Amino acid sequence: DIQMTQSPSSLSASVGDRVTITCQASQDINKYLNWFQQKPGKAPKLLIYDASNSDPGVPSRFSASGSGTDFTFTINSLQPDDFATYYCQQYENLPYTFGRGTKLEIK
Amino acid sequence: EVQLVESGGALVRPGRSLRLSCSTSGFKFDDYAVSWFRHAPEKGLEWLGFIRKKAFGGTTEYAASVKGRFNISRDDSKSIAYLQMTSLKTEDTAVYYCARGYCTGVVCYWGQGTLVTVSS
Repeated sequence: DIQMTQSPSSLSASVGDRVTITCQASQDINKYLNWFQQKPGKAPKLLIYDASNSDPGVPSRFSASGSGTDFTFTINSLQPDDFATYYCQQYENLPYTFGRGTKLEIK
Repeated sequence: EVQLVESGGALVRPGRSLRLSCSTSGFKFDDYAVSWFRHAPEKGLEWLGFIRKKAFGGTTEYAASVKGRFNISRDDSKSIAYLQMTSLKTEDTAVYYCARGYCTGVVCYWGQGTLVTVSS
């Protein structure tokens, strides 16, 4: 199985900050990576697919890049609604696997 | 409007079985695969498996953690997908979600989830 190493596991930041989360795959996954946002008690929401493509309606402050094994996800100018947990997920190979998540908290 | 609604979650004893349903509306169900995921307390998200659409054989794939115990099926006449869970373990306690398609590209609709608690 492909292991997804996501870091950091938690992050404290303030409204207006820029934050970056990284995800490393244990083998080449090409561009086949999703980024999800999940809030407590809610279903995950897809923000980014194919490593860098934003889902329709996702604010432009969310961006991502990478290919192969190394990926980054960035939120520019954090808004109060952005405090949540973020997950990467690969879909190059079955089983599809997730990173362990990054909990973004308000400083 | 695309909607997926999971149901069937309950408190069950270890070793017992439970069937979850994923009722859908707002799209042509038989044109899509259906995926299942779960989120265990204090743990991350886990992909459980999917069922392909009938045109692609209606075949299934599973995560190793549930293969042989869980079975995904679909009833296209009712636009419902099912997750049959057997030999439940305490570590299967989680909120279970279904999603339209494989969630491997643009737009991924999820249900609101249903809670399964496995405890003696």
